[in-house]
Amino acid sequence: EDKVVQSPLSLVVHEGDTVTLNCSYEVTNFRSLLWYKQEKKAPTFLFMLTSSGIEKKSGRLSSILDKKELFSILNITATQTGDSAIYLCAVGMNYGGSQGNLIFGKGTKLSVKP
Amino acid sequence: KAGVTQTPRYLIKTRGQQVTLSCSPISGHRSVSWYQQTPGQGLQFLFEYFSETQRNKGNFPGRFSGRQFSNSRSEMNVSTLELGDSALYLCASSFGGSGAGGTQYFGPGTRLLVL
Repeated sequence: EDKVVQSPLSLVVHEGDTVTLNCSYEVTNFRSLLWYKQEKKAPTFLFMLTSSGIEKKSGRLSSILDKKELFSILNITATQTGDSAIYLCAVGMNYGGSQGNLIFGKGTKLSVKP
Repeated sequence: KAGVTQTPRYLIKTRGQQVTLSCSPISGHRSVSWYQQTPGQGLQFLFEYFSETQRNKGNFPGRFSGRQFSNSRSEMNVSTLELGDSALYLCASSFGGSGAGGTQYFGPGTRLLVL
């Protein structure tokens, strides 16, 4: 069965720390890997990765994909309290099915303390 | 461009009732996917509609159904509500034309509480 596993499930850090969130996957027909940030409401899109080894950056956030080892990481540098959220990793499939077009991990809950 | 909108935002129902939730996708998006999110199970896929047709369906009982209209707006219906149906129901839209795996943009969700 296709699956996406995120680690750690929760993380508590202090402002200014750098964090690395992990996402590994096993899917039969990979197309893309996506990261979302979810605060109290809708998940908001962060990155979509399709190629190995190419880092995507947006401000203090960056992400990279390794299609050989089947994982991705999301880095957040100089964390701020506003980064506190659940970070979701999802894998996009080339075809849909009973798990849908995007399969989500359970998320990593990040808490940044002042 | 307006984002994905969902109505209502909050809903309280009792067991045995039915409920209809609505989702309007981003203009130009033809695919609408529905998810149920609970603390224990995370985001679970319900179904996806594209051009008024159900393209994929998740592993939920037949009490969960949906439809899509010609303007891409979608509704989902849950009949004979159970306590375990209490959850955040999220709708996501994407262009969808090339099939699966593209970026999906989420609405704010409908929080359903079943008493």
